[in-house]
Formats: sequence, structure tokens, C-alpha cells
Amino acid sequence: AQKITQTQPGMFVQEKEAVTLDCTYDTSDPSYGLFWYKQPSSGEMIFLIYQGSYDQQNATEGRYSLNFQKARKSANLVISASQLGDSAMYFCAMSSSGGSNYKLTFGKGTLLTVNP
Amino acid sequence: DADVTQTPRNRITKTGKRIMLECSQTKGHDRMYWYRQDPGLGLRLIYYSFDVKDINKGEISDGYSVSRQAQAKFSLSLESAIPNQTALYFCATSDSSSGGTDTQYFGPGTRLTVL
Repeated sequence: AQKITQTQPGMFVQEKEAVTLDCTYDTSDPSYGLFWYKQPSSGEMIFLIYQGSYDQQNATEGRYSLNFQKARKSANLVISASQLGDSAMYFCAMSSSGGSNYKLTFGKGTLLTVNP
Repeated sequence: DADVTQTPRNRITKTGKRIMLECSQTKGHDRMYWYRQDPGLGLRLIYYSFDVKDINKGEISDGYSVSRQAQAKFSLSLESAIPNQTALYFCATSDSSSGGTDTQYFGPGTRLTVL
């Protein structure tokens, strides 16, 4: 069974600083995907970034990067130059189904607060 | 215009009532999903559909049913609503031909309250 663990219920960061949100995962599938989603207070789920288990390089999307350490089974999200609009809940998720990646398992989330 | 829309956005109903939540998408994706979100529990999969003729149960399908009326439409029904079905419900879509990532894109959510 797949499992995602986010150990930080809440995080605080000063505006313009970088922040790392932790995510560890557990799966026996050799092929899987790792995702991060942002959920602002308005409620929608916004896709941020994806990392495939066979990808050699860490994924990056603008100010977001994913620090993928396969041996440690971790997929931490790094947000550089935090902005007030980054305040939101962040969810790590994993897909694996033996080759047909569709079933997403979500962590319980980390609430990020960016202080001015 | 939003690629994935959900109606209604908010609904308050009473125990025992039948409720239908609707999802439409203009992304052209073949796969569609229904999730519910409860505080502190993250998102959990209720049902998913890989195409119009393919419907599958997720991890918490009891008390729910779905209908895939067309590739772009996927509805979730609560035949007899109960208070512990109060939650935020999300529809999501993905594209099986997306080169392996199968990223899921979510609608804005429907906040359902069962009294």
C-alpha cells in the first residue's frame, strides 16, 4: 500500500525567504509519480509540480522545485522567494499502480503562512 | 473560463435527501475522478472513470454512486445523504495519453453540508 507522510502540520516563513515543505513516501512499486498541490483558503486544488520516479533531475517550475531523494523516499517541495500569496495548505501526493499511474494517495497537508 | 467546473458550489441538504453533484470538463481528458476532503484527512478517492464505459470504486465508495454521461461529464450521487457525508467534494480529470505523468487537475470543489 502507498503512504504519504507530511510531518509539518504548519510552517511559517518570512516574505522573500525560501521554505522547504517535507514529504516522505512509501511504496513497493518501482514506477510512481510524486505531485505537489496548493490549496489556498478559497478551497481549490492547484497543481504545482510533478516528479517521476525515473527522472534523473529534480523537477522545477518557476519558484517551485522538488528535492527528490529516491533512496530516502523523500520528495520535499522548496519554494524560493516566498510571497504573501503562497500562504496556503500544501499537499504532497503519489500515484502508483504498477504502470498505469492514476490512483493518487494524498498526505494530510502542511499549512504554510508567509509573514510580511 | 475554468477547464473543470462543478455544480453546485455549495449545497445544504437534509438527512435522507438525494443529492447529485455534477462535474464538466473542457480539457478533453478521458479520465475523471471524485474525491472528498475532510479536515485533517487529506483527499480520499470515491470513484474514478477511465472512459464512458469504465467506472471503478475508490477507497470510500459506500453511500455514493456515479454516472459518466459523456466523456466530459461525470456526476456523483448521494442516494440518501447522511451527516457524515458533509465534506468538500472535488472532481478531477487527467489525460491517459500525457506521456506517463497522468497529472490530475481539480475542479473548484463543492461544499456539501448534510443536516
